[in-house]
Amino acid sequence: SQKIEQNSEALNIQEGKTATLTCNYTNYSPAYLQWYRQDPGRGPVFLLLIRENEKEKRKERLKVTFDTTLKQSLFHITASQPADSATYLCASNYGQNFVFGPGTRLSVLP
Amino acid sequence: DAGVIQSPRHEVTEMGQEVTLRCKPISGHDYLFWYRQTMMRGLELLIYFNNNVPIDDSGMPEDRFSAKMPNASFSTLKIQPSEPRDSAVYFCASSLTGVMGTGELFFGEGSRLTVL
Repeated sequence: SQKIEQNSEALNIQEGKTATLTCNYTNYSPAYLQWYRQDPGRGPVFLLLIRENEKEKRKERLKVTFDTTLKQSLFHITASQPADSATYLCASNYGQNFVFGPGTRLSVLP
Repeated sequence: DAGVIQSPRHEVTEMGQEVTLRCKPISGHDYLFWYRQTMMRGLELLIYFNNNVPIDDSGMPEDRFSAKMPNASFSTLKIQPSEPRDSAVYFCASSLTGVMGTGELFFGEGSRLTVL
């Protein structure tokens, strides 16, 4: 069956550093990958989408890459701030549906 | 627009009781999704609608779960009878284009259900 994984359940980094989160997929070829941010007690909020024919996408301090050979997407937050602390979810299309990874809980330490 | 609106935000009930969760999607969005989130299983798709018609309900756990969308601005997810293992956060999300477009999902704040 299709599977979408995120490499770390939790990631702690120091303020000002670059956070890198990984999303891997197996047994299918998504047309795009999405990244969402979820704060405690809130619903996920869409951040970025990257299509299979795009290598890289940027939005302010966020950068997403998509490597179809490695079957992987990397999500970077540069100059991280404590306010970036949240759970980050990757998602993709699968058939007529969306599937989500389990999420990575990022903590940016001051 | 106020975004996707869900109610109630919190529900505590006893096993065997009926639970009804409600959702108002963003106006103009043709797709509506119901997800369930738990620590163990993450976000799971239960069912989704396109233009008020259920398209895929393969994620609905069992016959105790049912969902309806009587019009473009309202959907319900019902659990009858409820069981402790149904305890989770239930999210409603809407989308303008669904999975074939950009696929951006707009989520509500969720309904946290606790079944005792």
